[in-house]
Amino acid sequence: AQRVTQPEKLLSVFKGAPVELKCNYSYSGSPELFWYVQYSRQRLQLLLRHISRESIKGFTADLNKGETSFHLKKPFAQEEDSAMYYCALSPYSSASKIIFGSGTRLSIRP
Amino acid sequence: EAGVAQSPRYKIIEKRQSVAFWCNPISGHATLYWYQQILGQGPKLLIQFQNNGVVDDSQLPKDRFSAERLKGVDSTLKIQPAKLEDSAVYLCASSPQKAAAVEQYFGPGTRLTVT
Repeated sequence: AQRVTQPEKLLSVFKGAPVELKCNYSYSGSPELFWYVQYSRQRLQLLLRHISRESIKGFTADLNKGETSFHLKKPFAQEEDSAMYYCALSPYSSASKIIFGSGTRLSIRP
Repeated sequence: EAGVAQSPRYKIIEKRQSVAFWCNPISGHATLYWYQQILGQGPKLLIQFQNNGVVDDSQLPKDRFSAERLKGVDSTLKIQPAKLEDSAVYLCASSPQKAAAVEQYFGPGTRLTVT
């Protein structure tokens, strides 16, 4: 079964501290992985995707096929990072379909 | 460019009533998606259109939900009759192509409360 698991519903860290949002997936093939973000009162939007290998707003995510994980990391959290983060998977067999995790609310304390 | 538009933004109905949501995708986007997001969960795909044809409706409760995308542009999602468990945010998204896993652009959503 295709599934995305985000074990933490809420993650609270202090400004300047490192952040790691965990994501594990279940898929028999090689999927494409994404992180989507929803800031307060804004629309859900793409943050980054694993094939781009980019750093967006200081965030990076490495796909670990052995552990089937795609954790989102940032070395120094900023208050504007407070948002809801969703890990998502797209199976290559149905390339435009996206399966979302349940989300992690990141709260950055000043 | 203008984003995905949805209306209404909020709707409160009683169970067993019917309701319809409207979505206008980004101009030129061939693919349109409807998602259901229940509180505390991630968005779940209900139906995907490619132009005016259905690509995937495997998770659409067809006994009560229906959707159409006439002329391959705007789309409507209808629930009839509504149940309490249909309370959720209904998100519409669009993307420019189907062949690759590309970015989906989301609308603001319609928050439905069924009492």
